[in-house]
Amino acid sequence: DAEITQSPRHKITETGRQVTLACHQTWNHNNMFWYRQDLGHGLRLIHYSYGVQDTNKGEVSDGYSVSRSNTEDLPLTLESAASSQTSVYFCASSDDYGYTFGSGTRLTVV
Amino acid sequence: EDQVTQSPEALRLQEGESSSLNCSYTVSGLRGLFWYRQDPGKGPEFLFTLYSAGEEKEKERLKATLTKKESFLHITAPKPEDSATYLCAVQAGTYKYIFGTGTRLKVLA
Repeated sequence: DAEITQSPRHKITETGRQVTLACHQTWNHNNMFWYRQDLGHGLRLIHYSYGVQDTNKGEVSDGYSVSRSNTEDLPLTLESAASSQTSVYFCASSDDYGYTFGSGTRLTVV
Repeated sequence: EDQVTQSPEALRLQEGESSSLNCSYTVSGLRGLFWYRQDPGKGPEFLFTLYSAGEEKEKERLKATLTKKESFLHITAPKPEDSATYLCAVQAGTYKYIFGTGTRLKVLA
């Protein structure tokens, strides 16, 4: 069965360190997204990609970057982790009928 | 400004007690309205897509409806396993989705 997987599930890192969260999908979807979910804010879009070599900024992109070298993967990098980036991160992929989400990565920056 | 508001924030029901969740939206050029279910520690799971006012979709005890300004998720005779957070999202651009903050539903046995 096709799926979308995120790793790691949990991560604790120190302020200032670079962190990369992985997202891998086997749906063969061109569109992939990264969201963060925080209490009181719902899901907020960080970055998205419509295909290989395409990346776009979302509403909360500062301090984050993505790259898309193939259809299956969209890794999210925190260039220099900050406490404000403590959150749950969800990756999603989509066709024309809506999103399929991964199970999330809980990131704690100490 | 495009916006999605869900109410109530939290809802406790007795098993079998039907109710409705609300999702009101302001968006220019609605392309679709989506309902998701999210269980603790998991990603949102797709439930329904609605595209035009008057449209209705059903799945087991859930029924989603859409008007020009809001959507309702009706839950008929809920069971404890229906306990979850229900998220509403509107598609405001090609792949631009705006999510509400959700309604946390607890169904008591």
